[in-house]
Amino acid sequence: DQQVKQNSPSLSVQEGRISILNCDYTNSMFDYFLWYKKYPAEGPTFLISISSIKDKNEDGRFTVFLNKSAKHLSLHIVPSQPGDSAVYFCAASLPWDDMRFGAGTRLTVKP
Amino acid sequence: SQTIHQWPATLVQPVGSPLSLECTVEGTSNPNLYWYRQAAGRGLQLLFYSVGIGQISSEVPQNLSASRPQDRQFILSSKKLLLSDSGFYLCAWRVQGYEKLFFGSGTQLSVL
Repeated sequence: DQQVKQNSPSLSVQEGRISILNCDYTNSMFDYFLWYKKYPAEGPTFLISISSIKDKNEDGRFTVFLNKSAKHLSLHIVPSQPGDSAVYFCAASLPWDDMRFGAGTRLTVKP
Repeated sequence: SQTIHQWPATLVQPVGSPLSLECTVEGTSNPNLYWYRQAAGRGLQLLFYSVGIGQISSEVPQNLSASRPQDRQFILSSKKLLLSDSGFYLCAWRVQGYEKLFFGSGTQLSVL
């Protein structure tokens, strides 16, 4: 039962350009959406989140957009840097404290 | 500040052997605790979560079990490991009602 889906397993972009990572969900009860960044053999680290009552949240180079009608969110990284290369997980949280993750997208930023 | 400890970092176990992974959280009270697994080339699968001592919710039927004997301690166990139990196991915590989840450093389990 995949309630959170990341359909692109990998993405490659040039340094300085925009990276757009996408995520779709099926459960309309999710109240928070989050993005995590993960390096190999390490735990994921929190990147940015957005409440279900908002449609945009920005933090430096990172912006998350939420389209509730389409049950879709995206993470924009501008400008992309080689240090951004990692696996990015989309996550969605339920009001009773459950959290579901997508399969992840491996981002490679080429110098 | 809050910290989460997870050990061991790596573990190689034969098929059929038992398993015990431990996770502890410091600097907070009554956290929600989680066990996730990342199989090779796959995403993060929620295995168990707990909202209090002795309260365990299981997401996936399997030969793994979890226990929470103390407020800030979460243990993942198995009586007999299978090859399919190999993966990267992550413990996580968060304050109840707060959206951020904080992860431990993970345990790479190889069942041979």
